[in-house]
Amino acid sequence: SQQGEEDPQALSIQEGENATMNCSYKTSINNLQWYRQNSGRGLVHLILIRSNEREKHSGRLRVTLDTSKKSSSLLITASRAADTASYFCATDAWGTSGSRLTFGEGTQLTVNP
Amino acid sequence: DSGVTQTPKHLITATGQRVTLRCSPRSGDLSVYWYQQSLDQGLQFLIQYYNGEERAKGNILERFSAQQFPDLHSELNLSSLELGDSALYFCASSARDRISGNTIYFGEGSWLTVV
Repeated sequence: SQQGEEDPQALSIQEGENATMNCSYKTSINNLQWYRQNSGRGLVHLILIRSNEREKHSGRLRVTLDTSKKSSSLLITASRAADTASYFCATDAWGTSGSRLTFGEGTQLTVNP
Repeated sequence: DSGVTQTPKHLITATGQRVTLRCSPRSGDLSVYWYQQSLDQGLQFLIQYYNGEERAKGNILERFSAQQFPDLHSELNLSSLELGDSALYFCASSARDRISGNTIYFGEGSWLTVV
């Protein structure tokens, strides 16, 4: 099963509005990353937040991390039609042999012009 | 452009056949990861190689195998293909053997359709 679970599964908003996506995970983590995927394309890294950080900003993106609740949120402010994509959280967990990112099932964001 | 190159972009093949997917990592990256993305399973980690050696194994079927060559490119071999193997296969690379704190870069994927 996926380590991360995104909520909601799908989100439809108007251009200019803010979009918030949530991610929950099960085990302790080193870091949590957010990725974006345009339909049928590769994943693009958006932002990484370490387990000892609570909030991080990058342009119109704001990520929070609550390790006590094992959850993270991604906020996209002033959304644009070009933000339409699937967004995935991915965790890098302690104790994993080798190294891997475990992805959630993603949130499909649609921004209507 | 992530700098990770995957070929072929699209592939259609019949059940029972064998295919090879190829990946060239970003220049200087020593780790290569393979992921499978399907509608019902989502993004699943398959396997990781670091500097030619297998480093981590995920949900990779016995019918699948991979290797990383001295020039650091990697191949994923899928054999005895079944309809359920139809998916988008991603390769990703990173500089180090551990992800922790590092970004991994994904290629555009290889679409495999088994008919």
